[in-house]
Amino acid sequence: GQNIDQPTEMTATEGAIVQINCTYQTSGFNGLFWYQQHAGEAPTFLSYNVLDGLEEKGRFSSFLSRSKGYSYLLLKELQMKDSASYLCAVGSSNDYKLSFGAGTTVTVRA
Amino acid sequence: ETGVTQSPTHLIKTRGQQVTLRCSSQSGHNTVSWYQQALGQGPQFIFQYYREEENGRGNFPPRFSGLQFPNYSSELNVNALELDDSALYLCASSLAGTGVNYGYTFGSGTRLTVV
Repeated sequence: GQNIDQPTEMTATEGAIVQINCTYQTSGFNGLFWYQQHAGEAPTFLSYNVLDGLEEKGRFSSFLSRSKGYSYLLLKELQMKDSASYLCAVGSSNDYKLSFGAGTTVTVRA
Repeated sequence: ETGVTQSPTHLIKTRGQQVTLRCSSQSGHNTVSWYQQALGQGPQFIFQYYREEENGRGNFPPRFSGLQFPNYSSELNVNALELDDSALYLCASSLAGTGVNYGYTFGSGTRLTVV
């Protein structure tokens, strides 16, 4: 089974940087995903890591350490529209399902 | 190309009733997965359909069932509704054989309230 932990809430100021950590315990690891979900909307794909290291995509970066069962999502130059829930999810090599953490609600303040 | 569409967007049902939720997969996708997302929680995997057959199931009782049609669209049926079934139900489509990392697209969901 999967056990995925991430902080419940984080608050940051517009223009700042926020790092959302995610730890996981899993059998059959097949990649770690980050999704953004605004209230009442569908989760939208942000990033995917399957090898150790940092993946950068504009203002968003994601890091993975498979040996530590650890990932983080880094949001830079925060904007008000970045206020949302950020979901960490682990893919299984045994099937195509994703196992999600409970999500981290990020609030960006002016 | 069209994305994943779900209907209805909102639904209110009484405890004990049955409900059917519908999902049209993204063009070119042949696999549909259903997730339940309770308020303040992450989505929980219900089951996945590929080639019109169930292809994996999460920890949900048999009163949660589904179908996939030849055009890859899908239905989620829930019998004997309970109050705890109140949640956002998300459908996600993908293309089998490419792995979870390719084109796992979510619909906007159906908000089910059981009273």
